[in-house]
Amino acid sequence: NAGVMQNPRHLVRRRGQEARLRCSPMKGHSHVYWYRQLPEEGLKFMVYLQKENIIDESGMPKERFSAEFPKEGPSILRIQQVVRGDSAAYFCASSTGGTDTQYFGPGTRLTVL
Amino acid sequence: GENVEQHPSTLSVQEGDSAVIKCTYSDSASNYFPWYKQELGKRPQLIIDIRSNVGEKKDQRIAVTLNKTAKHFSLHITETQPEDSAVYFCAAIQSGGGADGLTFGKGTHLIIQP
Repeated sequence: NAGVMQNPRHLVRRRGQEARLRCSPMKGHSHVYWYRQLPEEGLKFMVYLQKENIIDESGMPKERFSAEFPKEGPSILRIQQVVRGDSAAYFCASSTGGTDTQYFGPGTRLTVL
Repeated sequence: GENVEQHPSTLSVQEGDSAVIKCTYSDSASNYFPWYKQELGKRPQLIIDIRSNVGEKKDQRIAVTLNKTAKHFSLHITETQPEDSAVYFCAAIQSGGGADGLTFGKGTHLIIQP
């Protein structure tokens, strides 16, 4: 029973490049959440998606960041024109919705040079 | 929006002693409060959670208490062991409010001294 999968686990980008992070939810889960964790800090909510719908993107920067969860395939968090401040661990979580437990993936550690 | 404060930021206890971590939240509509444990370089893992219709929940050496009136909840770990060393995060969420992302505290680094 595979848990939440994320890839890549580590991603290095130069300033100005694009970063594409993928998340496959746990089997049976249709709700996906993305969080960002800066070094030595807690997790900050970014965006909540269901299949083909963005439900809440209140925590996501308005520029350069976008997210999708297509009908087929993983959820993708896309960061355009990355800057050094985007360096962080990006975690996704999945659940069956509401207050059901959110299970986290292993994270993608993005380093911007 | 919701705001979660967590204290202390670092807690050092002797092996075998108890550890208590406290959190307060601001939104009285929040109704679900999970606790996650995160080891260095690993994913956050749920260790216990509580919903607003109960005041206390226990699972072996771990317990959580919730005071809705005061808007605070606490994690209690008894008979601490070396493997309890990690960063612990509390979180709050208001389900059904249209914003179902967890709001996390800043974390408590728990150190178990041998």
